[in-house]
Amino acid sequence: QKEVEQNSGPLSVPEGAIASLNCTYSDRGSQSFFWYRQYSGKSPELIMSIYSNGDKEDGRFTAQLNKASQYVSLLIRDSQPSDSATYLCAVNISPRKAAGNKLTFGGGTRVLVKP
Amino acid sequence: KAGVTQTPRYLIKTRGQQVTLSCSPISGHRSVSWYQQTPGQGLQFLFEYFSETQRNKGNFPGRFSGRQFSNSRSEMNVSTLELGDSALYLCASSRMVTGDSYNEQFFGPGTRLTVL
Repeated sequence: QKEVEQNSGPLSVPEGAIASLNCTYSDRGSQSFFWYRQYSGKSPELIMSIYSNGDKEDGRFTAQLNKASQYVSLLIRDSQPSDSATYLCAVNISPRKAAGNKLTFGGGTRVLVKP
Repeated sequence: KAGVTQTPRYLIKTRGQQVTLSCSPISGHRSVSWYQQTPGQGLQFLFEYFSETQRNKGNFPGRFSGRQFSNSRSEMNVSTLELGDSALYLCASSRMVTGDSYNEQFFGPGTRLTVL
């Protein structure tokens, strides 16, 4: 079983709609969670980080974390064609702050926003 | 503030050779991590350096090694290159100090390595 799982897509959404991306992880000790956006041929760009259960909003993006269900999601409101990219879910499987960083990535969900 | 920089951006090597890649983190960032990205395996963690010490390591053979200098700059080395080492190698830095978002990682542009 992969440690971080995402639907590979493509997730096709019309311009202006909400895109909903999901991610599940297997390590219950994980403490920090991230969403990255990666355009073709470019490096990943950090969109959101979330550390506590609940919602975290930043502009058109909302991250949701449910540690009991081992589930993290990303909502993109008012989707734009420029949002078309691959979205990567990443989980830091280090058990505590002092243990540093060890990110495990999902395979990514490709999102296509159609005008 | 300048972002993470990586050199070189592109590299072509032949099997059996070795290669050294360089990464300069964002100013003030103390942790540097390295990742390999391939179409088949996705993004995979190689190792993390903090205060010149390797703190975490992924599941890669010993041919992959790295180091960090006192100014937080980092290098990774791959010896005895194999065809399967062709990939995008990404470096990411994070602050790793107390407070919110302490371990957010920011990626450099990557080094595209092709092994012939």
